[in-house]
Amino acid sequence: DAKTTQPPSMDCAEGRAANLPCNHSTISGNEYVYWYRQIHSQGPQYIIHGLKNNETNEMASLIITEDRKSSTLILPHATLRDTAVYYCIVRPRESSSNTGKLIFGQGTTLQVKP
Amino acid sequence: NAGVTQTPKFQVLKTGQSMTLQCAQDMNHEYMSWYRQDPGMGLRLIHYSVGAGITDQGEVPNGYNVSRSTTEDFPLRLLSAAPSQTSVYFCASRSHQGSPPLHFGNGTRLTVT
Repeated sequence: DAKTTQPPSMDCAEGRAANLPCNHSTISGNEYVYWYRQIHSQGPQYIIHGLKNNETNEMASLIITEDRKSSTLILPHATLRDTAVYYCIVRPRESSSNTGKLIFGQGTTLQVKP
Repeated sequence: NAGVTQTPKFQVLKTGQSMTLQCAQDMNHEYMSWYRQDPGMGLRLIHYSVGAGITDQGEVPNGYNVSRSTTEDFPLRLLSAAPSQTSVYFCASRSHQGSPPLHFGNGTRLTVT
């Protein structure tokens, strides 16, 4: 699985957009970009994933560069409850033929401030 | 729909004791797995199962046993606890076809003294 690089920490003002970057320069053609977050003392929570097109759901938007070597997770209006560790993971799409093994790196600790 | 439920939330064991961490899901997911999370190490896969009666080892299986007699339950057994097994344990499940990829429980914090 491709390695990802994320900044260790970021701050964001409540109500503003939080833009979390991820570098994955060794990504291969069949690998997706997944984002999870882990709020203190809870299990990781899936946010969004994508292959090459930008994706949006009720939680966030995912912007993937054209060369697919980096991506940005956008929380459009961050709230205090979005304070968490955010993990960017690159791996082939999960299916019945693979183990669902996710390699969680150190992630980015996002602190949303009032 | 409770999702993935783990019990107990906290446990303290003495070295050499045995115990079972329980995990149950009510989403009819075929795939279930156990991770442990240690400071600075991220989440590491212990064991996983792709369906009832089928289990396999992950990255760090030593010291742990699992079984999958039903779709809903996937218990993790520590036969002889060691201090190195002090960690937070997460159970996760997913459908073979579904999205999101993995649903996680809220973890069991285990301390072995």
